[in-house]
This record gives sequence, structure tokens and C-alpha cells, in this order.
Amino acid sequence: DTEVTQTPKHLVMGMTNKKSLKCEQHMGHRAMYWYKQKAKKPPELMFVYSYEKLSINESVPSRFSPECPNSSLLNLHLHALQPEDSALYLCASSQNTGMETQYFGPGTRLLVL
Amino acid sequence: RKEVEQDPGPFNVPEGATVAFNCTYSNSASQSFFWYRQDCRKEPKLLMSVYSSGNEDGRFTAQLNRASQYISLLIRDSKLSDSATYLCVVNGGSGGYNKLIFGAGTRLAVHP
Repeated sequence: DTEVTQTPKHLVMGMTNKKSLKCEQHMGHRAMYWYKQKAKKPPELMFVYSYEKLSINESVPSRFSPECPNSSLLNLHLHALQPEDSALYLCASSQNTGMETQYFGPGTRLLVL
Repeated sequence: RKEVEQDPGPFNVPEGATVAFNCTYSNSASQSFFWYRQDCRKEPKLLMSVYSSGNEDGRFTAQLNRASQYISLLIRDSKLSDSATYLCVVNGGSGGYNKLIFGAGTRLAVHP
């Protein structure tokens, strides 16, 4: 079962709000990822977690704060976002951080007002 | 130069047509190659991995030419359900990290 789940599916927030996106996988994968995708553009990598440790931060602004509570869960905490942060946020996982296939969750569609 | 470049599309083809997508990548050290499919407002889904020997999955055939740094996807007997954006994806990570580099995608529209 190659399933990655994400909640919520949709989120509308104001620029002063604090919210969190959640991602879960039960495939025993040890690498998890956050991507941002704008309309008609490919996904852009934000963060990589390997064995619950942050491995890569692609120079993402600090208003995005990732967290990996355990090997199955990945959160993305949002605070003081800007309207240009509105996008589809995708979580993915892979067996490890080698040359492995990544499996994507359905995403959270975020609108910042 | 973009790290992964694809045909811009869109490709509008009738049902039953054969269509080919091309992709080039810039990092000669890349070791893993994939085609993902993304439907409108959905997540990317793995269509197939691409191997040097070429691989086939039903109506889909992928080829890799490492010398030319070129990847292709051939779809035979197109179905309406094949309409989607096809993303050429290359592993561009270093130091053991699995960083996927996505092409901009090629949109396919299959019509009756």
C-alpha cells in the first residue's frame, strides 16, 4: 500500500493566523519531504527529513517550520504567511534518502488572505 | 539552462494515437529517472521508473539515453483517461540525498 495521507485537504488562513499541515505514512519509509506547488508549475522541494532529522532546508522562509514527531508523521507549521504562499503543499515519502521512488500525498490546498 | 527540460506541449491527440514525450537533463551524475503523471488539482503519481535498458508497462514505454542525457516516454493507443500532465523527473541529489528535480511538465489532451 503506497499511501501517504495529508490533512486538511483545504485551508484558508489570514496572515496573522497560525496553522499546521499534517502528513502521515505507514509504509515504514524513513525519508519524508515537503514540496510547494504553484499553479501550472512543477513541485518545488522545501524540506527533507531523514530518520526523523531535518536533512535539507531549501532556504525556506522561517514562517514555515517543519516538524517530524516520529517516523510516520510530518508536520508543517505555518505562521504569518503571505498571500504569495498560497499553493498546493505536497508531502512525499520514500524508503530512504537514496535513489528511491517518492510517493506523494494528495496535498493541502492553502489560501492565504 | 534548466536542469530538466521537457517538450512544452500541450499535445492534443485523438483516441488511439501514439504520442511521444521527450526530456533532457543537465546533470550527468543523475542516477534515477522517472515519469510521473499529474491530473488537474491532484498529486503527482508515479507512472514508471526509467532504466537504461528501456522498460515497458502496457501501452507505455520509457527509454533512457545516458550519453545524450535524454529520456523519452511513448504512449500507444491513447485513451481519454491518459489526459494529464506528464512530469519528467530526475534525481539530482548529492551526498546521498534524494532530491527530485522536476521538469515543467507536458500536458496531454486526448479527445474522442
